[in-house]
Amino acid sequence: GEDVEQSLFLSVREGDSSVINCTYTDSSSTYLYWYKQEPGAGLQLLTYIFSNMDMKQDQRLTVLLNKKDKHLSLRIADTQTGDSAIYFCAESRLVGNEKLTFGTGTRLTIIP
Amino acid sequence: DAGVTQSPTHLIKTRGQHVTLRCSPISGHKSVSWYQQVLGQGPQFIFQYYEKEERGRGNFPDRFSARQFPNYSSELNVNALLLGDSALYLCASSLLRDTEAFFGQGTRLTVV
Repeated sequence: GEDVEQSLFLSVREGDSSVINCTYTDSSSTYLYWYKQEPGAGLQLLTYIFSNMDMKQDQRLTVLLNKKDKHLSLRIADTQTGDSAIYFCAESRLVGNEKLTFGTGTRLTIIP
Repeated sequence: DAGVTQSPTHLIKTRGQHVTLRCSPISGHKSVSWYQQVLGQGPQFIFQYYEKEERGRGNFPDRFSARQFPNYSSELNVNALLLGDSALYLCASSLLRDTEAFFGQGTRLTVV
């Protein structure tokens, strides 16, 4: 079956880099996503990567994919207080919202 | 341009009652999906509708049903509410079935 796992908590000092990790089990996963959820809010798509890519960079965000180990990571450079949120890893077989399977989320806390 | 709008934002229901949640997709978007997010967990896929037809269903009991209207808005209905149905219900819309999904702010349902 499909399963996506993340560590629950991460604390990082302001200005440092944050690295949030995710593992998934479905070898049919085609697209892997990172979503951000701030308190009381819905989900904001940060970035996604196609399974035939190893890396994708978008401004302060870098996504690394190790398809062999089914491991995905999100690196946030120069972490700011506004980055405090819960970050969800998700996978699907199609781009878009056809049965996204989400992890449990990683709560990122920024230490001033 | 308005994003995905959901109503109501909050509601409280009693066990055994039924509830209807509403979602208006971004203008021009034809696909709507529903997710349930229990506190402390990631969202779980409930349904996807595209062009008014059900295109996907998650592992939820028959008490959960949905429909999509000609204007592409959608309703999620839950009958015979249980305490465990308390959650944030998220709606996502996308232009087509397999394009990027945009999430609404959610409806927080509390069953007492």
